[in-house]
Amino acid sequence: DAKTTQPPSMDCAEGRAANLPCNHSTISGNEYVYWYRQIHSQGPQYIIHGLKNNETNEMASLIITEDRKSSTLILPHATLRDTAVYYCIPRGWDTDKLIFGTGTRLQVFP
Amino acid sequence: DGGITQSPKYLFRKEGQNVTLSCEQNLNHDAMYWYRQDPGQGLRLIYYSQIVNDFQKGDIAEGYSVSREKKESFPLTVTSAQKNPTAFYLCASSIGLAGNTDTQYFGPGTRLTVL
Repeated sequence: DAKTTQPPSMDCAEGRAANLPCNHSTISGNEYVYWYRQIHSQGPQYIIHGLKNNETNEMASLIITEDRKSSTLILPHATLRDTAVYYCIPRGWDTDKLIFGTGTRLQVFP
Repeated sequence: DGGITQSPKYLFRKEGQNVTLSCEQNLNHDAMYWYRQDPGQGLRLIYYSQIVNDFQKGDIAEGYSVSREKKESFPLTVTSAQKNPTAFYLCASSIGLAGNTDTQYFGPGTRLTVL
């Protein structure tokens, strides 16, 4: 399983883009990059995942570098409700578990 | 509404008592999972089940037991053998197919406090 490095905390002004980086330099070829977030005292919420192409959905965009050693989750217009801990999780297609690290605590301020 | 329900949200038990946490899903998912989260930490896998009447231990199964008699339900019993049971317990489910579409979706969690 690939190890990940995420900054422990970040701040973002409401309405601005939040760019959350993740380093996963040991990721293997069959591992996707998943992003979840967890608002305080709630269950984790799935955001997006990708293998090597950039992905976009209604919640966020995921940019994966060409060498796949890092990725960035982009929340294009952060709101106060986006305040949460964000987890970057490499996961192989043949593994059953998600390995959560300690993530990045994003604080969106007015 | 489709989703995963866990009940109760908060649960208190005396030390030495077994306690069962409920997890139900109406998403028609084959796979279900139980995770534990301690304060300031990530989630750790306790047990998972890919199909009815079958389940496997995760990374921290000691002191826990599960059953999977119905597709919709995956109850977790925290036994008196679990040395530090106070934690936030999260249930998840997924379609159950290997591959990039097998995303896990989580319930709201049960916070267990053992006094």
